[in-house]
Amino acid sequence: DVKVTQSSRYLVKRTGEKVFLECVQDMDHENMFWYRQDPGLGLRLIYFSYDVKMKEKGDIPEGYSVSREKKERFSLILESASTNQTSMYLCASHGRTASNQPQHFGDGTRLSIL
Amino acid sequence: AQRVTQPEKLLSVFKGAPVELKCNYSYSGSPELFWYVQYSRQRLQLLLRHISRESIKGFTADLNKGETSFHLKKPFAQEEDSAMYYCALVAGGTSYGKLTFGQGTILTVHP
Repeated sequence: DVKVTQSSRYLVKRTGEKVFLECVQDMDHENMFWYRQDPGLGLRLIYFSYDVKMKEKGDIPEGYSVSREKKERFSLILESASTNQTSMYLCASHGRTASNQPQHFGDGTRLSIL
Repeated sequence: AQRVTQPEKLLSVFKGAPVELKCNYSYSGSPELFWYVQYSRQRLQLLLRHISRESIKGFTADLNKGETSFHLKKPFAQEEDSAMYYCALVAGGTSYGKLTFGQGTILTVHP
């Protein structure tokens, strides 16, 4: 069974801090994703990566960056946290076999920026 | 660009009643469509996908290309069906499996 692990379940940071959210998957998946989940807005794609050191912007990349140095790990970075980045963040992975294969999600990190 | 719309934020039914969660999409090509579910305090998980044409936990969904819809249906709702439901689409081609989600529908099944 695919396991996607996010390093923190809850995180509280201050405005202006640099914040790292970590995600690890154990299925050798090529594709990894970061979403944020907000009530009434659904899930919105921030960034995704289709290979080591490869990344592409999603729909809402502003204020975020990512790092994929190893295939199993995909990090989301908030360069200078702001209160409007308070949200639930979900990581997902997906194998490159076919587009109709599902993504597998982590438990999420609930991030609060004070 | 593709878009997924779930017109109902909240849906309440009584146990044993039929339930239908609506999903409409816009995409010029042939999409892959999914329903994901998130139960309270659990991770988001796949419920079903249109290509499998399967029934999971009594739920079915039929892709209607003419109406660009992928509504989720269950004839007799159960209390354990209470959850957040998301409809999602993957565009064809080299989309790397990127999902476009709808806004989500919170389903509450009352006893």
